[in-house]
Amino acid sequence: EDQVTQSPEALRLQEGESSSLNCSYTVSGLRGLFWYRQDPGKGPEFLFTLYSAGEEKEKERLKATLTKKESFLHITAPKPEDSATYLCAVLSGSARQLTFGSGTQLTVLP
Amino acid sequence: GAGVSQSPSNKVTEKGKDVELRCDPISGHTALYWYRQSLGQGLEFLIYFQGNSAPDKSGLPSDRFSAERTGGSVSTLTIQRTQQEDSAVYLCASSLDAREQYFGPGTRLTVT
Repeated sequence: EDQVTQSPEALRLQEGESSSLNCSYTVSGLRGLFWYRQDPGKGPEFLFTLYSAGEEKEKERLKATLTKKESFLHITAPKPEDSATYLCAVLSGSARQLTFGSGTQLTVLP
Repeated sequence: GAGVSQSPSNKVTEKGKDVELRCDPISGHTALYWYRQSLGQGLEFLIYFQGNSAPDKSGLPSDRFSAERTGGSVSTLTIQRTQQEDSAVYLCASSLDAREQYFGPGTRLTVT
């Protein structure tokens, strides 16, 4: 059974204080690892897809990396508007649906 | 272009009533998914449609839940005889390649 664990559950940062969110996974045959951002009362917003260990993707202040066991979402010099819940999900083997972690709730204080 | 849309955005219903939730996927996306997000819980897969193939219903929690997709586009999720534990946000997603999934804003269902 696929498992995705995200840590920490919640993270409070000062504006400009860089940090990383972790997503550990156990799957049989990774077909893709996905990062989403979810604002309160809204659906998840797609950020990145990573397919193989060593791959990196960047978007503005966010950078996602992937190893064989985990993925990191690095946030550089965050701003208050980066506050949201960040979700990690995996697609594995012959599965059609994503398996999601429980998310990291990020708060960036001005 | 237009994203995934869902209606209604909020639905309050009495226990025992039936409800229908609607999803309009991104035009051209052949794959459509329904998920449920309960307070404090992760996203839970419900059902998957791909083109004209038989749907994958493996995530439906009980036979009170059903879904259909007409003409390979719009989908309706129906919950019969609603229970309080059905209260959640119901999210629809669509995908072009059955990998990257794009989500709608969700329908918040409250069963009183």
